[in-house]
Amino acid sequence: SQQGEEDPQALSIQEGENATMNCSYKTSINNLQWYRQNSGRGLVHLILIRSNEREKHSGRLRVTLDTSKKSSSLLITASRAADTASYFCATDDGQNFVFGPGTRLSVLP
Amino acid sequence: DAGITQSPRHKVTETGTPVTLRCHQTENHRYMYWYRQDPGHGLRLIHYSYGVKDTDKGEVSDGYSVSRSKTEDFLLTLESATSSQTSVYFCAISERTRRDEQYFGPGTRLTVT
Repeated sequence: SQQGEEDPQALSIQEGENATMNCSYKTSINNLQWYRQNSGRGLVHLILIRSNEREKHSGRLRVTLDTSKKSSSLLITASRAADTASYFCATDDGQNFVFGPGTRLSVLP
Repeated sequence: DAGITQSPRHKVTETGTPVTLRCHQTENHRYMYWYRQDPGHGLRLIHYSYGVKDTDKGEVSDGYSVSRSKTEDFLLTLESATSSQTSVYFCAISERTRRDEQYFGPGTRLTVT
């Protein structure tokens, strides 16, 4: 069963715009991670946010976590064509580590 | 993908044949994982290992077995391949616990005809 569900499934934006994707989950978690996957490649870890954290930054990436709403968001600012990829959230509830189905982001030049 | 290799990278096999995929790491990480990725399903955990000869089942383990005789190698075997096992298989590693960030290999595309 899937814990995390990303929204939207697909997103197209222009270069320079911000991209926001969301992840909702069902049960309490220990941490939530975001990964990126470029076409035909393995996943690359972006950010890990723990259940007692509300926000984390890494370069142009900003992740928030709202445990009361059981949701997280990933914001990519000033997007570039190279940000075109699929983005996955993964949740750890202490028993299972589960990936969501992903959001496909297309950044148009 | 640095530090993790998978072999083969592509394989076509016939239904009913056994298939073994290999994952090799040079990071000396404790945990190793096998996932399959299918459209609309994200990544689903098949099996994982938390040490030499220590393995456990994941979400979709039926039809698969694994072995880890050395820290650096984790093998995934399809005993009798079926068309439903056509997928892209990823190996991943994490340093100390299942909660740590995972590092992924480049993937193996398996087609069962």
